[in-house]
Amino acid sequence: GAVVSQHPSRVICKSGTSVKIECRSLDFQATTMFWYRQFPKKSLMLMATSNEGSKATYEQGVEKDKFLINHASLTLSTLTVTSAHPEDSSFYICSASWSGSGTYEQYFGPGTRLTVT
Amino acid sequence: DAKTTQPPSMDCAEGRAANLPCNHSTISGNEYVYWYRQIHSQGPQYIIHGLKNNETNEMASLIITEDRKSSTLILPHATLRDTAVYYCIVRAPYNTDKLIFGTGTRLQVFP
Repeated sequence: GAVVSQHPSRVICKSGTSVKIECRSLDFQATTMFWYRQFPKKSLMLMATSNEGSKATYEQGVEKDKFLINHASLTLSTLTVTSAHPEDSSFYICSASWSGSGTYEQYFGPGTRLTVT
Repeated sequence: DAKTTQPPSMDCAEGRAANLPCNHSTISGNEYVYWYRQIHSQGPQYIIHGLKNNETNEMASLIITEDRKSSTLILPHATLRDTAVYYCIVRAPYNTDKLIFGTGTRLQVFP
């Protein structure tokens, strides 16, 4: 149990276009999902916390108008990178909190590699 | 900022135990110690977590000192597939509480 999927696994887009990344909890309901970004040889940086049915909470320095997050259901959160630029090229990873053990450990998706040309 | 300190890298021979240390001297009373690992170009994988008692599962053992200021993750019989970056994170066990990743320990298992 506690499987999280992401789609697509990799995407290449042109500068100025928008890209949507989906994060799904496959076998559990997740009221809270998280979005991270990871640059090469760096650690994961939390971008935002996504709560089902409410607005996402963004970390300092993350532009909420550029990284649109929607968490419309208990199993799906989406991240849309708007007007993408080459510096947005990164590995984007989502996670979902699983309450099965009572201590809400997070389970991660496999990641989406975004390349903006 | 991450609340933990880990060595940047470690080596381990295949078949031997890998002991990965973590210091978390400022841990709060309600914070758990979580361990994750990330194999290259994949999402992090949950390994184990604990509060104050030692924990063991099918992947690893977690030893937490009595004062809770440090812990050790033990992979009893390391394999080449255990080569990864291992992250030790302290966090309160609430639904919305964040995982703040530090730089982790890069474990290289060699034949």
